[in-house]
Amino acid sequence: QSALTQPRSVSGSPGQSVTISCTGTSSDVGGFNYVSWYQQHPGKVPKLMIFDVSKRPSGVPDRFSGSKSGNTASLTISGLQAEDEADYYCSSYAGDQGVFGGGTKLTVL
Amino acid sequence: QVQLVESGGGLVKPGGSLRLSCAASGFTFSNYYMSWIRQAPGKGLEWLSYISSGSTYMNNADSLRGRFTISRDNAKNSLYLQMNNLRAEDTAIYYCASGRYYLDYWGQGTLVTVSS
Repeated sequence: QSALTQPRSVSGSPGQSVTISCTGTSSDVGGFNYVSWYQQHPGKVPKLMIFDVSKRPSGVPDRFSGSKSGNTASLTISGLQAEDEADYYCSSYAGDQGVFGGGTKLTVL
Repeated sequence: QVQLVESGGGLVKPGGSLRLSCAASGFTFSNYYMSWIRQAPGKGLEWLSYISSGSTYMNNADSLRGRFTISRDNAKNSLYLQMNNLRAEDTAIYYCASGRYYLDYWGQGTLVTVSS
């Protein structure tokens, strides 16, 4: 199972919106509504931010939103804040296996 | 609150074996799928394996080629990962997490270093 494709880095200024893409195939992202997103600060444990494409766990700010079109999922962070600077990973169910993206480093300028 | 605590990591020689454990508390462990994920130093996340609540269903990443085996003991609220024929590229932090389609709770991880 090949890793999902994410941009290596994105950046934005405080208050702006950024979108991180996650491209897979019809065997993973496009085939199931089981895309999730994780935030990882340096040296910390990954934290679930979005599940089932667009659902937010309790406690995650509504500035974080997820969507999917075809084989590409997206995470949008609006009203960017300094504490959003982190690595973000997408993941998808891939028919009996899981697969992660390579990760995207978000820099808040 | 939900707590997952991994143990069993350490330094092992190439070709050696290790058994990782994950102790769960704060939720009904026996009701949940559980997964193992790893992260090599400075690299991204890699899904390894998951197991159903009653151990009737489990699966590994193809890349592991059968070297790793996931198991659980619901009576002990514990998850395990038996790792055999370890290679240098298996050096990573190993996390246990609850869930299958998404991973909602994660442990702090245990470091496995494979080196001669």
